[in-house]
Amino acid sequence: DAGVIQSPRHEVTEMGQEVTLRCKPISGHNSLFWYRQTMMRGLELLIYFNNNVPIDDSGMPEDRFSAKMPNASFSTLKIQPSEPRDSAVYFCASRLGGGVSEQFFGPGTRLTVL
Amino acid sequence: SQQGEEDPQALSIQEGENATMNCSYKTSINNLQWYRQNSGRGLVHLILIRSNEREKHSGRLRVTLDTSKKSSSLLITASRAADTASYFCATDAGGNEKLTFGTGTRLTIIP
Repeated sequence: DAGVIQSPRHEVTEMGQEVTLRCKPISGHNSLFWYRQTMMRGLELLIYFNNNVPIDDSGMPEDRFSAKMPNASFSTLKIQPSEPRDSAVYFCASRLGGGVSEQFFGPGTRLTVL
Repeated sequence: SQQGEEDPQALSIQEGENATMNCSYKTSINNLQWYRQNSGRGLVHLILIRSNEREKHSGRLRVTLDTSKKSSSLLITASRAADTASYFCATDAGGNEKLTFGTGTRLTIIP
């Protein structure tokens, strides 16, 4: 298995631009998580899905952030418009649901908003 | 504040020595997990311990859990240079499948 795939690996954009981060979970996993990691705030859960349905988006910072999971093999995290304080590493993780189990993380997308 | 707080924040030891990291949390949990993160990479799961377990081993890793003190420790024996990484504990909040990660311990193994 290729593991969790994220794209792009690096993104540099200017303030005000729209940013779309992509994630392909491990095949067969039915839970998907989006995290953000910064030096100041550590690793924060933004939103997670079970069977493509958003379950908890309480970690999404504000309306500028949105996430979708149109099918079991693809999810996007969109920031519109982007701001410099959104600069962080964004991780996607997936998990085989149905009880206690580990999460498998992707390599992350390093986002820099100028 | 973070559900999990690791201690120490940073640790440097000589190769071959044992490394111990601690994690404290605030609320009741079903399980506690430890993850490793190499620089510039995603997190990798190391070990999971359930709330009804007190100790668990996996290779050179030993994890303990004290639910009365709401704390856990991760021991890495006979450390190697490749163990250099940040280590995070993660807890669920009593049946909630969300994980809350701690602040992490940055471990440096000196060859």
